[in-house]
Amino acid sequence: NAGVTQTPKFRILKIGQSMTLQCAQDMNHNYMYWYRQDPGMGLKLIYYSVGAGITDKGEVPNGYNVSRSTTEDFPLRLELAAPSQTSVYFCASSYAKGFNEKLFFGSGTQLSVL
Amino acid sequence: AQTVTQSQPEMSVQEAETVTLSCTYDTSENNYYLFWYKQPPSRQMILVIRQEAYKQQNATENRFSVNFQKAAKSFSLKISDSQLGDTAMYFCAFMTGTGGGADGLTFGKGTHLIIQP
Repeated sequence: NAGVTQTPKFRILKIGQSMTLQCAQDMNHNYMYWYRQDPGMGLKLIYYSVGAGITDKGEVPNGYNVSRSTTEDFPLRLELAAPSQTSVYFCASSYAKGFNEKLFFGSGTQLSVL
Repeated sequence: AQTVTQSQPEMSVQEAETVTLSCTYDTSENNYYLFWYKQPPSRQMILVIRQEAYKQQNATENRFSVNFQKAAKSFSLKISDSQLGDTAMYFCAFMTGTGGGADGLTFGKGTHLIIQP
């Protein structure tokens, strides 16, 4: 049972480049989330999904796009990378929303835009 | 929108001491959940303890306990008999209990806890 798998773990981008951060879970979870964590700060929600084909914006969606074509995968797309997107990105998933639903986190992707 | 405030950027205590981390939040909702997460240098997010807003009784998990004051919108974490392995960033987080959407967690900025040998 791999849990939540994020790839890559580290990446350096040049300004204006694009990339996709991959996230996959093998727990048949309906809910998936993308967060970013800036240095010295807490996590902020970028996008979330409550099931395949359904996505919605979180607190800081500008500059990002997501898709959810399958239950397992929830990729995050960065278009025209900017230095402000330098951050650590976490993917998370849970079976449902609620107090008793444990949220599983991936190990994060550290992204630098130079 | 909800906000979560952690007013202590960093705390340092000696091993075996008791330490309390502060967290306040602001919300207009009556149904919500509160959490404390630990993030060691490995970056992994680890759930420490959680509390349902409608429960008066404070949650306890081994050496970790909370002091939940709903009227004051305060949710502090107490770590007893602190250990070197407790050294980490600690985040307080809020989740709404209403609505059909996922909403996700709202996090505070974190407190860096250092346990000195």
